[in-house]
Amino acid sequence: EAGVAQSPRYKIIEKRQSVAFWCNPISGHATLYWYQQILGQGPKLLIQFQNNGVVDDSQLPKDRFSAERLKGVDSTLKIQPAKLEDSAVYLCASSARRGHYEQYFGPGTRLTVT
Amino acid sequence: AQTVTQSQPEMSVQEAETVTLSCTYDTSESDYYLFWYKQPPSRQMILVIRQEAYKQQNATENRFSVNFQKAAKSFSLKISDSQLGDAAMYFCAYRSAASNFGNEKLTFGTGTRLTIIP
Repeated sequence: EAGVAQSPRYKIIEKRQSVAFWCNPISGHATLYWYQQILGQGPKLLIQFQNNGVVDDSQLPKDRFSAERLKGVDSTLKIQPAKLEDSAVYLCASSARRGHYEQYFGPGTRLTVT
Repeated sequence: AQTVTQSQPEMSVQEAETVTLSCTYDTSESDYYLFWYKQPPSRQMILVIRQEAYKQQNATENRFSVNFQKAAKSFSLKISDSQLGDAAMYFCAYRSAASNFGNEKLTFGTGTRLTIIP
C-alpha cells in the first residue's frame, strides 16, 4: 500500500512570493490533515478535510493561507504572500475515516522563506 | 484546550540500554488517546505506540512500552535494548476520543531528540 505522497520536498522562496504544496493521501482515506511544523516545535494542525469538505480550519491564517481538496482525493495548500515566519515543514496526513485514531503522515515539504 | 509538555529536549543512551522519555498533558476530558510518534531525519512521522485512556493496562509494542498514569496525567515511553535506528525526534501527542468536529486533531509536544551512543 502506497503511503501519503507530498511534493515538492523542498522549496525556497522570497517573502511576498506565492507557493503551493501538493498532497496525495493513501487510497481510500477520507480524512486529510495539513500540519505546520516550525523548527523546534511539534506539528500544529492547519486544516482538516472530510472528503472534500472542511471540518476544522480554526488555526489556518486565512488572510494568506488557502487549501482545497478537489474530488475528495488530492489536496493543495497555498500561501500567498509568504512571510518569513512561514518557514516550516508542512506535513500532510490522512486517516481512513472520521474518528479513526491513526493518522498516516507524508514526508513533508520544507519551506524556507528568505 | 489540551496541552502536551515534553520537558526533555534531548536524551542520549548507550546502545542496548534502556531509556525513558517523559510526557505530561493537561485535559479536562475523560476519554482520549495518547501517542508516541518517531520522526527520523527523513521527517516522516511514524506511529510508535498508542494508549487508550479507558484502558488501565499499559500498551507495549516489542521493545517499546508506556507508563500511563491517568490521574497524574503522565505518559512516558520506555525503549528497551536501544538500537542505532531508534535515533530520532520523539513526539508525544494527544487526541480527543470525542467524535465532534474539530476534536480529531493531534496536539503535539515539542519533542525529545534521542541520540544512541554506539
